[in-house]
Parts: sequence; structure tokens; C-alpha cells
Amino acid sequence: EAQVTQNPRYLITVTGKKLTVTCSQNMNHEYMSWYRQDPGLGLRQIYYSMNVEVTDKGDVPEGYKVSRKEKRNFPLILESPSPNQTSLYFCASSLTGQAQETQYFGPGTRLLVL
Amino acid sequence: AQTVTQSQPEMSVQEAETVTLSCTYDTSENNYYLFWYKQPPSRQMILVIRQEAYKQQNATENRFSVNFQKAAKSFSLKISDSQLGDTAMYFCAFKGKGAQKLVFGQGTRLTINP
Repeated sequence: EAQVTQNPRYLITVTGKKLTVTCSQNMNHEYMSWYRQDPGLGLRQIYYSMNVEVTDKGDVPEGYKVSRKEKRNFPLILESPSPNQTSLYFCASSLTGQAQETQYFGPGTRLLVL
Repeated sequence: AQTVTQSQPEMSVQEAETVTLSCTYDTSENNYYLFWYKQPPSRQMILVIRQEAYKQQNATENRFSVNFQKAAKSFSLKISDSQLGDTAMYFCAFKGKGAQKLVFGQGTRLTINP
């Protein structure tokens, strides 16, 4: 089944404790992206990647890192999480990132930073 | 920069009624794509319908249709014969032809009452 998976689905952590949210897709997609969803703000892009070893900042990249060492994986790293990073996070992918392509979203990761 | 505005934070209708969700956007581009996504309580992001700006004909998908007014930069979603399973958060989104991200509105929480 074609899908985007994220782990963990729920995470409670404390300020400053490094964490990684994994994202994997099995559709051989070149384009992958991370969004965060906050009430009243919709979804905002954090980082995106056009292909292996090619990443770039989105609208809200501060406090986040990403890497793209393999085509299928695009982990989101919070080196020193803070309470303002409490949010719902989505990974998404599409074939090449063109506007007309359907973006496939993962199931979401709910993060609480205490 | 593109912006997407959903002016109705919440809506509520009775089952079987027709409901229209509003969306306006701002862009200087001439070719772009517009989307409606559904987010049920499971938090999964589900693509409902897509519209290409160059196509004058409004997109339809079963009970879902859009009213695309390019000059007014308006993209409303009509749900006919609403069902309990339509209860969800609905997001309007924009993507420019060369853009690397979806720009989302704030969302409209729709409740279908039995």
C-alpha cells in the first residue's frame, strides 16, 4: 500500500531534550516536506526536500533541522525543543513537487514540549 | 507572498443539507492550483478536490463541488446532501506553478448534526 508513515504518533518531552520524528514513504517520491499545524494558523511549511541531499527552508524553519540521506526517508530533528514547538506535525511527499501533483500526507505526530 | 483566508472558523448544519465553505486567496500569479483538504478527527489529511486556475469549469467529485471565481480570487467548497462522515476540519490550500509548498488557510471546522 502506497503510504507515508511517521513515528512516533504521539510524543511528550521536556525542554531541551533532542528528539527526531521519522518520516518514510514507499512511493519513490523525490519531493518531501514537513508542515506544522497550529490552531488558527492552518499548516505551515517547515522544510522541504527536492531530492536526496537537497533540502531547503520553508516558512518556519527556526529550531528545526532535516536531512535527506535516502530517497524514502526525511527525518525532522529538534535539537533543543521548546514549548513553542508544541504542535501537530505532518510529513508529506509527491512525485517531483510540481503543483498539479497530489501530495500524500502522513498520519501526523502530536508533540507536546513541557 | 500568497495568502489564503478562510473566514468561517466553524460551521454547523443538519444532515442532508447543503453547506458552502468559503475561501479567498491572494496571488499575483496567473497559473496555480487550488485544493480542499479534509481532516477528520483521525487527523489524516485527505484531498477532497483540486482545481487548476486555467480551467474555467468548476471541479466536482461526487457530492463535492467548487465555485471557482478567478477574478474575485474566491474558491468555495459546496457539500451537497451532507453526511455525518463529513464532520471534519476543512482546509483550503494554494500552490503556485513553481512553488515548493502548499499555502493553507486557517481551516473551517464543519459539524454535521443528525
